[in-house]
Amino acid sequence: EIVLTPSPATLSLSPGERATLSCRASQSISTSLAWYQQKPGQAPRLLIYDASSRPTGIPARFSGSGSGTDFTLTISSLEPEDFAVYYCQHRSTWPPTRWTFGQGTKVEIK
Amino acid sequence: EVQVVESGGGLVQPGGSLRLSCAASGLTFNTYWMSWVRQAPGKGLEWVAHINQGGSEKYYVDSVKGRFTISRDNAGNSLYLQMNSLRAEDTAVYYCATGFAYHDHWGQGTLVTVSS
Repeated sequence: EIVLTPSPATLSLSPGERATLSCRASQSISTSLAWYQQKPGQAPRLLIYDASSRPTGIPARFSGSGSGTDFTLTISSLEPEDFAVYYCQHRSTWPPTRWTFGQGTKVEIK
Repeated sequence: EVQVVESGGGLVQPGGSLRLSCAASGLTFNTYWMSWVRQAPGKGLEWVAHINQGGSEKYYVDSVKGRFTISRDNAGNSLYLQMNSLRAEDTAVYYCATGFAYHDHWGQGTLVTVSS
């Protein structure tokens, strides 16, 4: 079973700063990773899929990179609305088929 | 615009049953895999179940196997989650989401509380 480990658990930054979030997989998952943003009281929103692709409507300040076991979500310059919790997620193709989320990284205002 | 709306949550006693519904619009429903994802109070996201376009493939997280059943009605653009033998640890907001490998559209969720 693949385990996703995000780091850090909490990131304290100021608006305008660069945020770098990591997600490590317990075994190689190629580029099969997504990132989601969740604000309090709201549903999650897909930010990045296939490790580095952005869905239509996601601002360019969000970028994803990585392959194998190490992945990064970068927010180039934090806007006030970016302070939220971010989750990584993977769909395993090995039996048993399952979808796995990491525990999340909270980006808070410093 | 894709819209996904969950309903059916509420307070239920341990051992009880509940059926969640999800109404989808703005998409060709019968071409989408669909899923349920839950979030316990103050906790992270947990995938619960997935179903393919025709309903012939279903997958569940181990903790709900044998108790929960995912199903869909393509004619009515609806997704369901039948939850039996509910436990306190099933208390969560349950989200309906579209997509196969990734969840690209989400509803706002429906709260299920299992308590006596």
